[in-house]
Amino acid sequence: AQSVTQPDIHITVSEGASLELRCNYSYGATPYLFWYVQSPGQGLQLLLKYFSGDTLVQGIKGFEAEFKRSQSSFNLRKPSVHWSDAAEYFCAVVRISSGSARQLTFGSGTQLTVLP
Amino acid sequence: DSGVTQTPKHLITATGQRVTLRCSPRSGDLSVYWYQQSLDQGLQFLIQYYNGEERAKGNILERFSAQQFPDLHSELNLSSLELGDSALYFCASSVAGRPGGGDTQYFGPGTRLTVL
Repeated sequence: AQSVTQPDIHITVSEGASLELRCNYSYGATPYLFWYVQSPGQGLQLLLKYFSGDTLVQGIKGFEAEFKRSQSSFNLRKPSVHWSDAAEYFCAVVRISSGSARQLTFGSGTQLTVLP
Repeated sequence: DSGVTQTPKHLITATGQRVTLRCSPRSGDLSVYWYQQSLDQGLQFLIQYYNGEERAKGNILERFSAQQFPDLHSELNLSSLELGDSALYFCASSVAGRPGGGDTQYFGPGTRLTVL
């Protein structure tokens, strides 16, 4: 069965500092990977996704992530964090069982606090 | 705005009652997914419908059921409600038309269910 691990429950960074959120996955086939962000009281917004090709993918709001098959990782990065980035971040892998069947498995999330 | 709409935004009810949550997918999306987000379980996949048919099933209780109508909107029915069913319920949609291919799920704003 597929699984996603986000080892950091809570991360605090200062505004303007760089950020890296860790994500490790377990999946038997080619993984399709996602990062979503959830602001308080809001739904899940897609930041970026990896399906194939270039292992460094760019997303919205200045985020990027790098897929490393050898490490089963898909870490999210941002060179300079803004106060508005404070939110909870979820890594996810999609399981494709057959045909059009899909389901996302999420990590437990990383809560990001940004200090002024 | 993801294009996925969910109603109602909030729902407060009593134990033993039955409620219906509604979701309208993005224009052109054939698949609808339901997820539950709770403090103890995190984000969990419940069920997927594709063009009116059930395609994948996750950790959905027998007290819960869903359906997708010919206009592609979906309803999640929760019955014999218990205190532990209090959670945020998300609907997502995707194209999911390409067998074996990755596609992106876009999430609605969620329905917050409180069972008293």
